[in-house]
Amino acid sequence: KAGVTQTPRYLIKTRGQQVTLSCSPISGHRSVSWYQQTPGQGLQFLFEYFSETQRNKGNFPGRFSGRQFSNSRSEMNVSTLELGDSALYLCASSPVRGEQYFGPGTRLTVT
Amino acid sequence: QKEVEQNSGPLSVPEGAIASLNCTYSDRVSQSFFWYRQYSGKSPELIMSIYSNGDKEDGRFTAQLNKASQYVSLLIRDSQPSDSATYLCAVKTVGGGKLIFGQGTELSVKP
Repeated sequence: KAGVTQTPRYLIKTRGQQVTLSCSPISGHRSVSWYQQTPGQGLQFLFEYFSETQRNKGNFPGRFSGRQFSNSRSEMNVSTLELGDSALYLCASSPVRGEQYFGPGTRLTVT
Repeated sequence: QKEVEQNSGPLSVPEGAIASLNCTYSDRVSQSFFWYRQYSGKSPELIMSIYSNGDKEDGRFTAQLNKASQYVSLLIRDSQPSDSATYLCAVKTVGGGKLIFGQGTELSVKP
């Protein structure tokens, strides 16, 4: 099976802009979770989607949002970018409930 | 108190030795426990999952879980230089796909 794919892999944006990241889960996996990884805070949970519904949400401001489509593909959006949003954004897919498998990530740099 | 705690390391072991990585968690209702390996510049890779008390072995890796002590460990036997990476402990509680990660332990295996 193909693994989790994320696009784009690298992104440079300016403060105040918005960005959309995409994730395609492993075939047959219906749950998609998003995480932010920074050197200072480590890996932090953003949100989880299952069957197009947000099932869990982490402690991030409303500028961070996401959605899931009927084919389980997911997008996350960050509006009004801040310097502190520079991070590796990771998507993980899993079966209904189970182990999570990470994609390669999107490296976002905000200047 | 952090929800998931790991020694940050670095932990240095000679090639062929046993590397022991430890993790404690604070939420008693946690049900699922995972170890991920992350090479520098890469995304986390799932190497072990454990759900019940006791030991679980997979090749050179053994995960140990003690729910009474809220303690999870990972043993790597016959350590190889290719095992040099950061090892992340992750805990999932009831009801959903949120993983809570420790800060990771950096392991260095010296030839």
